[in-house]
Order: sequence, then C-alpha cells, then structure tokens
Amino acid sequence: GNSVTQMEGPVTLSEEAFLTINCTYTATGYPSLFWYVQYPGEGLQLLLKATKADDKGSNKGFEATYRKETTSFHLEKGSVQVSDSAVYFCALSGGSEKLVFGKGTKLTVNP
Amino acid sequence: GAVVSQHPSRVICKSGTSVKIECRSLDFQATTMFWYRQFPKQSLMLMATSNEGSKATYEQGVEKDKFLINHASLTLSTLTVTSAHPEDSSFYICSARDRGFREQYFGPGTRLTVT
Repeated sequence: GNSVTQMEGPVTLSEEAFLTINCTYTATGYPSLFWYVQYPGEGLQLLLKATKADDKGSNKGFEATYRKETTSFHLEKGSVQVSDSAVYFCALSGGSEKLVFGKGTKLTVNP
Repeated sequence: GAVVSQHPSRVICKSGTSVKIECRSLDFQATTMFWYRQFPKQSLMLMATSNEGSKATYEQGVEKDKFLINHASLTLSTLTVTSAHPEDSSFYICSARDRGFREQYFGPGTRLTVT
C-alpha cells in the first residue's frame, strides 16, 4: 500500500538557517503530494502541494519538488524564522483521495 | 474561507461513558468528511470517511460499534466514542472536503482524555 517516510525530528535550527526535511514515498500510480504544517494548538494547514512529476509547490518561502525518479518530495526553506516553529507532515493522496501521512517532523527555530 | 471547527477542543470523561465530538464546516458544504486519530509523536491515522447521507466507511482495524460516525448534513459530522476506555485517549482530528475541490480542510482537533 501507499506509505510516506519522513525524517524524524526534532529539528532545531537558528533563525535564518537553511531547512531541509526529507520525505520519500511509496505509491502505486501517480499520487499527489502535500506538505502540511501544524502550529502549536492548531489544526493542520496545507502548506504546499504538487500533483505531478517535476511540479514544484511553494508557499511562504517553502518549496518542494515532486521527484518521481527518487520518489521524494523534500521540503526546503532558505531562511527559517522563529514563526516557522511547528510540526511538518508530508502526505500523499492516491486515486482514492485518502491522505496518507508521514509521522511528522517537529521544527524548532531559535532566535 | 474554508474553515472547519471542532467541538469540544478538550474533553475529559470517565471510563465507560460516551463522548460526542462535532465537526462543522463553517463556510462551505462538505460532501465528504474524514476522521483521524493522532497519537503523541505519531502520524495521523485515518479512522473513517463519511459522505453526507451515507454510512461511514471505516478503515481496517477501526471498530464501527465503538466509533460511531454520523454525517447527517452537509456541514456537520459527529464522532461518538462509545464506552470509552483509557486507551481511547487521543487527539481526534476531522477534515472536510468541498464538493468541487480535492483539498481537505482540517479542524483544530479534540483532545480526549479518558480516566
């Protein structure tokens, strides 16, 4: 079945550091890929998505590129801020529209 | 737009009692709603999918009689945890999908503690 593996945290960075959170997936067919963010005490919010190979999703300075050849969808940001501290979830959706999530990576950004 | 609310945000109940959690789409009609369970430091696990006016479809391993889901209107779905036990303590999250879009919008979650 479909699955998502993302790097386990926690990840602690200083403000303005470069961020990469790795995500790889296993799926049949051509899934859509997502990154969700969960701020403390809040629900999940869609951060970005990509629906086909080589698509790049971007939002709020975050980017991720759908790499079919490596089955990856790594999240990157060039300069993190304290306000980016949250838990980040990689997810995929196959033809059934159900979302399959990775375990989440907690990011803490220190001033 | 696309706001989903959950009520209550936190609930504590005694073992053996039942608890109802509501999930509402505030500004759109949700033809499909999803219920997830999130354990500490774990991923979200899909429990069931409900379509308005239909019976919910449960994921493998989820007890239908224990987790009762009702999706009686296009803006409201409820999850009732019946005869709750301490192992049911968890964070329950709902999401809703608009008829015209593939994106799911998530509620803020409900923390259930069974004592």
